[in-house]
Amino acid sequence: AQTVTQSQPEMSVQEAETVTLSCTYDTSESDYYLFWYKQPPSRQMILVIRQEAYKQQNATENRFSVNFQKAAKSFSLKISDSQLGDAAMYFCAYRGLIIQGAQKLVFGQGTRLTINP
Amino acid sequence: NAGVMQNPRHLVRRRGQEARLRCSPMKGHSHVYWYRQLPEEGLKFMVYLQKENIIDESGMPKERFSAEFPKEGPSILRIQQVVRGDSAAYFCASSPTGFRLAGVYTQYFGPGTRLTVL
Repeated sequence: AQTVTQSQPEMSVQEAETVTLSCTYDTSESDYYLFWYKQPPSRQMILVIRQEAYKQQNATENRFSVNFQKAAKSFSLKISDSQLGDAAMYFCAYRGLIIQGAQKLVFGQGTRLTINP
Repeated sequence: NAGVMQNPRHLVRRRGQEARLRCSPMKGHSHVYWYRQLPEEGLKFMVYLQKENIIDESGMPKERFSAEFPKEGPSILRIQQVVRGDSAAYFCASSPTGFRLAGVYTQYFGPGTRLTVL
């Protein structure tokens, strides 16, 4: 079974600085998908960024980028120019190939990010 | 395009009562997933449904929990004889059909239903 581990329960960063959230996963599959979701105090789950494992290029969405190391099974999220609105719980998630029963997302435990003004 | 809708947003039940949680997927989506989030934890998969079919229920507790996604209407997660341990946030997500289309592998989440069992 696939597992996702976020080893940092809490992180904090000064506004406008850069922060990196760590995520590692375990799988025997060669093709899969990785996601970072943000959960602000409203508890709404918001997709931040997505990476397909077959793509070597790291995904980027504005101030958010990932460092995807397939061999190391590592998928970290970098937030540049941190803003107060970035404060939230961040969840890393894994999803296998689109075959029967492989549709579910497997989530890590989450990292609570605090932005200091 | 309206997002995933869940209702109610908050539900309070006494022990032994039934809880019914509803989820309307995004327009054009026929795949629905239910997840449960216990306090201070990540989301845990419960069940994956397509219209009129349960595809994967490996995360569903064996007793008291059931889910359906009828041909017409929303998906329903039903919890019978609730206990205090059922208190959690229940999230529904949906994704579109198709293969290798943009966004096909992304699940879009609803706002969740917070169930409190007294």
